[in-house]
Amino acid sequence: GAVVSQHPSWVICKSGTSVKIECRSLDFQATTMFWYRQFPKQSLMLMATSNEGSKATYEQGVEKDKFLINHASLTLSTLTVTSAHPEDSSFYICSARPPMGRMNTEAFFGQGTRLTVV
Amino acid sequence: AQKITQTQPGMFVQEKEAVTLDCTYDTSDPSYGLFWYKQPSSGEMIFLIYQGSYDQQNATEGRYSLNFQKARKSANLVISASQLGDSAMYFCAMRGINTGNQFYFGTGTSLTVIP
Repeated sequence: GAVVSQHPSWVICKSGTSVKIECRSLDFQATTMFWYRQFPKQSLMLMATSNEGSKATYEQGVEKDKFLINHASLTLSTLTVTSAHPEDSSFYICSARPPMGRMNTEAFFGQGTRLTVV
Repeated sequence: AQKITQTQPGMFVQEKEAVTLDCTYDTSDPSYGLFWYKQPSSGEMIFLIYQGSYDQQNATEGRYSLNFQKARKSANLVISASQLGDSAMYFCAMRGINTGNQFYFGTGTSLTVIP
C-alpha cells in the first residue's frame, strides 16, 4: 500500500523555540494532506488541510500564525510549531490519500510526532 | 455534515473471545465509505477494514468483520478470537463522496484484552 512518512517521530524542545515536522508521501503525489493533533486517549482533531501550491485551510480555533503549514511540493508538507509552549505538547500526525483513489482507498498516515515542550 | 459516534470509551475482552466495537454515523452524502483504524500505543494508525455504503455484503478481513446496518446507520467492528496484541485504540472513520479526501473520525474506543 501507499506510504506516508513523518519525521521526526519525537522531539523535545525548549519553550519559545520552533519545531518543524515533515510529512512525505513516498509513492504517490498528494495534492492534499491533513494535519491532526491528538491528546492521550482522545480522537484525532483536524488542525488544517494542506494544499499543494496554495495556502492551507485551518480549522476553527487553530492559530495559523502558530502552526505554519507549507506544502511546497506534491510529496512534502511541513508543519512548523512556532514559539512553542508546554501547552503545545501533543501528538501530531499527518495523513494523505492518493488523489485518484477510489472510495475504498483508505487514508494513509504518517507515524506521528510526539512533541514535548519543556 | 458528517458525524461519527463511538459510545464506548473503553472495552475489555477476554483473550480468545469476540468483541464488538460500536460505531454510528450521520451523513447527507448519497455515497460514502466507512473505515476502521487501530492505533496501538506507538501511535501509528493501522487501517483494518472498509465498508462501502452500497456494498451488499458485510466486509470481512481475517479476524475483523463489519456489521453494517445501513438503515440504522451503524457500522460496528467485530473482532473474533481476541489476542493480546489487539489491545489498542480503535477509530471509526467516514469519507463521503462529497467530502473529497477528508476523513471524519469518531472519538475512539480503547480496547483491552485480558489474558
